[in-house]
Amino acid sequence: KAGVTQTPRYLIKTRGQQVTLSCSPISGHRSVSWYQQTPGQGLQFLFEYFSETQRNKGNFPGRFSGRQFSNSRSEMNVSTLELGDSALYLCASSSRPDSASANEQFFGPGTRLTVL
Amino acid sequence: KQEVTQIPAALSVPEGENLVLNCSFTDSAIYNLQWFRQDPGKGLTSLLLIQSSQREQTSGRLNASLDKSSGRSTLYIAASQPGDSATYLCAVRLITGANSKLTFGKGITLSVRP
Repeated sequence: KAGVTQTPRYLIKTRGQQVTLSCSPISGHRSVSWYQQTPGQGLQFLFEYFSETQRNKGNFPGRFSGRQFSNSRSEMNVSTLELGDSALYLCASSSRPDSASANEQFFGPGTRLTVL
Repeated sequence: KQEVTQIPAALSVPEGENLVLNCSFTDSAIYNLQWFRQDPGKGLTSLLLIQSSQREQTSGRLNASLDKSSGRSTLYIAASQPGDSATYLCAVRLITGANSKLTFGKGITLSVRP
């Protein structure tokens, strides 16, 4: 079974631009979560989607948005990029967001975003 | 607000040593706790998942325990090897569905010397 895939793996953008990152969950998984990882803040939760609906959102500005498609693939978008948005963006999938026996999260390799 | 702490931030041990990595959390109303491994520049690999009703989980040379009442979990690595060198993160999931996100510690960077 293929794991979580994220594209692109690396991105270099300049301040003010926008960027779209993509995540394909493990086949059969319907929950996708996004995290930002930086050396200073560690891993921080961005948002979670299940069945095309945003179920939970972290404390990030409105410049960060996401969506999920009917095939469970998800995208996140960051508009008006700032230097501080440079980070590793990780996507995780699970079969259900709140099932006691099936909510182990599996992570993709991440997208390394550099904002110049 | 749930806070997860992992101390120390870095650890260096000689090959073959048995070691324990600690994780503490402030809110004991957790759904489960998950240990991950992260190699430099890579994503997270799930190592062990412990449900709130469980006390421990084992996989190969790894054993994770959970004590909800004291807000602690430990990851035990037996007979450490240089290939175990990585950052180990613990993460907890709160019990309410509205807060189903994982809250992570900052991780412990382990170096196993040959």
